[in-house]
Amino acid sequence: GQQVMQIPQYQHVQEGEDFTTYCNSSTTLSNIQWYKQRPGGHPVFLIQLVKSGEVKKQKRLTFQFGEAKKNSSLHITATQTTDVGTYFCADGGTSYGKLTFGQGTILTVHP
Amino acid sequence: DGGITQSPKYLFRKEGQNVTLSCEQNLNHDAMYWYRQDPGQGLRLIYYSQIVNDFQKGDIAEGYSVSREKKESFPLTVTSAQKNPTAFYLCASRLAGGSDTQYFGPGTRLTVL
Repeated sequence: GQQVMQIPQYQHVQEGEDFTTYCNSSTTLSNIQWYKQRPGGHPVFLIQLVKSGEVKKQKRLTFQFGEAKKNSSLHITATQTTDVGTYFCADGGTSYGKLTFGQGTILTVHP
Repeated sequence: DGGITQSPKYLFRKEGQNVTLSCEQNLNHDAMYWYRQDPGQGLRLIYYSQIVNDFQKGDIAEGYSVSREKKESFPLTVTSAQKNPTAFYLCASRLAGGSDTQYFGPGTRLTVL
């Protein structure tokens, strides 16, 4: 079935360093969604990308959707301790609004 | 406040017992979903429902059951047939016909002793 691969599984950074997580699919994605889950919390929607080559920014976060719509990335500039958590990508194009989640990237930020 | 509530936050059960997890939403969303999350893994879909009195199996439905008698409620029963029930369970909802964005409840952490 549809699989979404996300790398890396873990990322440890010093505060102020940049961070990137990547999401890849073997098939074309209708759209890609990104969620953040704080430790002990629940996933919270960040953004949805729909168009080929789309780039969206939210303050220090930059989201990209590949030209072939088979990959996506989330880049955080100058990480802060508030950025800690698990970042998930999800294929939002399956039937009935079902999401297929990547495994997530756990981000740790050392002050 | 509008939102999704799940109760309880922590739940302990003995092996062999059925347990029902509550999920309620007042967002007037049509679709509701149940996911299971294990440490270091993504979310896996258990069951979903698009409308009242209708629901479909997700990727890991074995050992679980659901009902959707009201639009606002989508309880999940973890039966004794579920081989490894200890996990974090998340409920989500979505406005059908709108964007694909799902809104998640706070989750229930189930531990089977």
